[in-house]
Formats: sequence, C-alpha cells, structure tokens
Amino acid sequence: EDQVTQSPEALRLQEGESSSLNCSYTVSGLRGLFWYRQDPGKGPEFLFTLYSAGEEKEKERLKATLTKKESFLHITAPKPEDSATYLCAVQSSGGATNKLIFGTGTLLAVQP
Amino acid sequence: GAGVSQSPSNKVTEKGKDVELRCDPISGHTALYWYRQSLGQGLEFLIYFQGNSAPDKSGLPSDRFSAERTGGSVSTLTIQRTQQEDSAVYLCASSPGPNNEQFFGPGTRLTVL
Repeated sequence: EDQVTQSPEALRLQEGESSSLNCSYTVSGLRGLFWYRQDPGKGPEFLFTLYSAGEEKEKERLKATLTKKESFLHITAPKPEDSATYLCAVQSSGGATNKLIFGTGTLLAVQP
Repeated sequence: GAGVSQSPSNKVTEKGKDVELRCDPISGHTALYWYRQSLGQGLEFLIYFQGNSAPDKSGLPSDRFSAERTGGSVSTLTIQRTQQEDSAVYLCASSPGPNNEQFFGPGTRLTVL
C-alpha cells in the first residue's frame, strides 16, 4: 500500500535556526513527490515537485531533495513568516488514478 | 490569474440534511480533484475528473457522496443525509493535466450538528 510518513509532527525553531523536515514514502512506482505549505484556514499552497532520486529544487529559504525512499525539506535561516504546516505528497505510477497521497504534515513554528 | 475558488467557505448543517459544495477550477485546467481534510489527519482523496473521461470515484467513503463536473469546468460535491463524521474541510484542486502539480482552493469547512 502506498504510504507517506512525515517527521517530526511539530518543530519549533528560533529565527535563523536552520533545520530539515523529513518525508518517508513507500509507493509502487513514483510519478512525483510534492511539497505544499498550508496556513491555518487556507488550502495547501504548492511549493515543489520532485520526480527522480538526486533531484533538488530551491525557492528562497527552502530547498527540497529526493532519494529513493525519502525527501527532505531544508529550511535555511527561517523567519517567523515561514511558520506553517508543511505537507508532503506522492503520486504513484502504479495505479490508474492521479490522486495525491498525503502525509499528516509537520507543523513548523519559527519564533522571533 | 484567478485561482481555484470554492463556496461556501463555511457550512453548518443538521444531521440528515443534504449539502452541496461548489468548486470553480482554474480556467483551462482539465483535471479536477476533491479531497477531505479531517482534524489531525492527512488529506484524503475523494474523486478525480479528467477531461471527458469517466471520473475516478474510488475515494468516495459511501454512496451518500457524489460529485459531478458540468461542461468540463465547475464541479459540485453532494453529500446526502449528512452524518457527524462528515464534518471536515473539503478541498478542491485543479491541474493543467493529470501529471502536473495540483492547485488547491481555500476549502469549505463543513460542520454537521
């Protein structure tokens, strides 16, 4: 069964304190791995798509990496406005549907 | 351009009543998805529309749930005889094609009393 596990469930950082969020996955053929940011009361906001092991993508203070078993979202020198829930999802090439399978997210709080 | 819009933003209903939730996807996007997000749980896939193909209904939790997409654009998710366990945020997403990133709307928060 396709599955996504994110850790930690919650993370509290001081402003400027870099860290990484983990997304472990098992899937019958990876079509793509997606990172989203979700603010309270809003829908998920697309950040990155990764397609193959070794791929990396960056956007401002965020950098996403991918291996055959997991993905990391690295946050460099975070600011309070980076506080949000970060969601990881995979799309499997093993089924007929193109649905995303989501993890339960990491709640990030960045304190000034 | 305009993103995905959903209405209403909040819906409170009584157990046993029917509700309709609406989604307006990004113009030109051929794929449309419905997900459900319950407190403390990840997003759960419900249904997927792609162009004129038959929808993938494999995620619908019961026959009380149905959805349609008219003219390849607007979609309506209908829940009949609502139950308290249906309380959740219902999210709609659209994408340019089946293998592209999905863009989400703000969601409809459904509360069943």
